[in-house]
Amino acid sequence: EAGVAQSPRYKIIEKRQSVAFWCNPISGHATLYWYQQILGQGPKLLIQFQNNGVVDDSQLPKDRFSAERLKGVDSTLKIQPAKLEDSAVYLCASSLSDSNQPQHFGDGTRLSIL
Amino acid sequence: QQPVQSPQAVILREGEDAVINCSSSKALYSVHWYRQKHGEAPVFLMILLKGGEQKGHDKISASFNEKKQQSSLYLTASQLSYSGTYFCGTDILNDYKLSFGAGTTVTVRA
Repeated sequence: EAGVAQSPRYKIIEKRQSVAFWCNPISGHATLYWYQQILGQGPKLLIQFQNNGVVDDSQLPKDRFSAERLKGVDSTLKIQPAKLEDSAVYLCASSLSDSNQPQHFGDGTRLSIL
Repeated sequence: QQPVQSPQAVILREGEDAVINCSSSKALYSVHWYRQKHGEAPVFLMILLKGGEQKGHDKISASFNEKKQQSSLYLTASQLSYSGTYFCGTDILNDYKLSFGAGTTVTVRA
């Protein structure tokens, strides 16, 4: 089966600019996650969708980050305006459901803020 | 609440064994283990559920100790392909949301 697709792989922007990441989960996976992974740390959950509804966005900095999952399939994560501390790898993952299922990760988008 | 992994890093020769620990300050409902190679996506290894079960994946196995609120990952007869950073993800609220540890970097040398 095709894996989780993410684009772009790399993005370099200046602080205060905006950026968007795209994720296409594995077909049939109802649950979609966005994680932020800062260098040397484990992934940190930003937002979780079940189909096209938000299950948890408690760790999403909502003043600058937004995410949507239209029609319960693809998802986009946006940062506006970006800060230096947003430099990280943004990982998208999907799973069949939200109950003790393996999460399948995409290769991520490496974001650098200048 | 983020689990604590130990050690931070380990260097092995091919064929040697290693143990990676994942400790929580709260009761655990499940523990997920992933391996991430440099510049790549984390890859799922196994899930352990509350109940103390032990699971295996090739020569990589893991245990779950409810009393100690800890899980351990065992790398047996390590191969070069075992190199990478191992993360544990823990569910402490039984809501299926994972908090990941900072990772343990394993380097296997020929």
